[in-house]
Amino acid sequence: GEDVEQSLFLSVREGDSSVINCTYTDSSSTYLYWYKQEPGAGLQLLTYIFSNMDMKQDQRLTVLLNKKDKHLSLRIADTQTGDSAIYFCAESTDNNDMRFGAGTRLTVKP
Amino acid sequence: KAGVTQTPRYLIKTRGQQVTLSCSPISGHRSVSWYQQTPGQGLQFLFEYFSETQRNKGNFPGRFSGRQFSNSRSEMNVSTLELGDSALYLCASSRGTSGYTDTQYFGPGTRLTVL
Repeated sequence: GEDVEQSLFLSVREGDSSVINCTYTDSSSTYLYWYKQEPGAGLQLLTYIFSNMDMKQDQRLTVLLNKKDKHLSLRIADTQTGDSAIYFCAESTDNNDMRFGAGTRLTVKP
Repeated sequence: KAGVTQTPRYLIKTRGQQVTLSCSPISGHRSVSWYQQTPGQGLQFLFEYFSETQRNKGNFPGRFSGRQFSNSRSEMNVSTLELGDSALYLCASSRGTSGYTDTQYFGPGTRLTVL
């Protein structure tokens, strides 16, 4: 099975909060990331969190990490139509090996 | 500062041909990693170069190769192209300093179509 798992689709209404979830299996993960990919574009680093942190907030983005359950989430407050994209969760370990989830397609309806 | 650049952005090739993709990392970054993204397989790690040496390698056949130059720019080559090689190829750069995991910054990708 995959090392990093995400649900494939999420649909929300403009102005609502979006929560994208991710689970990983490697307990030696040191950094966890969220990337955004818009249609036809490459990956854009949104935010990352060290594995010894529980939470990181950056403007409309909040990352929560439950290391015991190996669960990572990305909350987008006041979701806008411009937030429609695919969001990838990724983990890395000390040897710089990165593993990505399959991506969650977020659709924001007006 | 300028981000990661990749050239060309789009390529169309036929089966059996070979292709070379180029990646220029962020200034000061010494590590360049390559990924293949396809709808069916998602993102898969190809290889990483650091200081002109391949440091990590994913599970891809020998048709996929790369190199890194002294200015940290990297090229990826795919020989004897197959239809299944059609994908978005992403390059990512990072400082690459050993001892900790640093953040990778991705380029826009090169979309390769094999006919």
